[in-house]
Amino acid sequence: NAGVMQNPRHLVRRRGQEARLRCSPMKGHSHVYWYRQLPEEGLKFMVYLQKENIIDESGMPKERFSAEFPKEGPSILRIQQVVRGDSAAYFCASSPEDQPQHFGDGTRLSIL
Amino acid sequence: GEDVEQSLFLSVREGDSSVINCTYTDSSSTYLYWYKQEPGAGLQLLTYIFSNMDMKQDQRLTVLLNKKDKHLSLRIADTQTGDSAIYFCAEKAGYQKVTFGTGTKLQVIP
Repeated sequence: NAGVMQNPRHLVRRRGQEARLRCSPMKGHSHVYWYRQLPEEGLKFMVYLQKENIIDESGMPKERFSAEFPKEGPSILRIQQVVRGDSAAYFCASSPEDQPQHFGDGTRLSIL
Repeated sequence: GEDVEQSLFLSVREGDSSVINCTYTDSSSTYLYWYKQEPGAGLQLLTYIFSNMDMKQDQRLTVLLNKKDKHLSLRIADTQTGDSAIYFCAEKAGYQKVTFGTGTKLQVIP
């Protein structure tokens, strides 16, 4: 049973470009979460999704950031018009109903 | 709102016990977790405890929960160099939202 798969592991973008981060949850997990981790800091919650629904996006910036978890395919975190401050590690986690979250290895986003 | 605090750094000698402490503010927490993060990797779930328990032991790991003081600790017996990592405490209250602490960096000295 494969774990949470995130790709790419590393992503480099220039300021103003778009970044698309993908997350495939563990088999049987219908809940997906995205977190951001800045260097030397803890994880900050961004968004919680179930299939085709955003349940809680209270941690996600209102502009430039969006997330989806379609009926088929991976969850996508999309950052438009990236800026230097978006450089961070972005982690995805998944869980079944009311169970601990399991994390992927993250996508490290670097903005030039 | 929820807040989870941890000390930033802990250094122990190989073979000693490590105790990593965590305090939280949300009295409605249902689960409390300990995750381990090694450099360049994601978070690995180590153990978790239900809020109606006060202790859980799993091999070298012992979790103690003092619900009255909202204090959680993780004890690692016979600490090894492979235990060097950042340890995150986290709490879950309500539906599924989990709040993480800032992490404690454990350094094990050979």
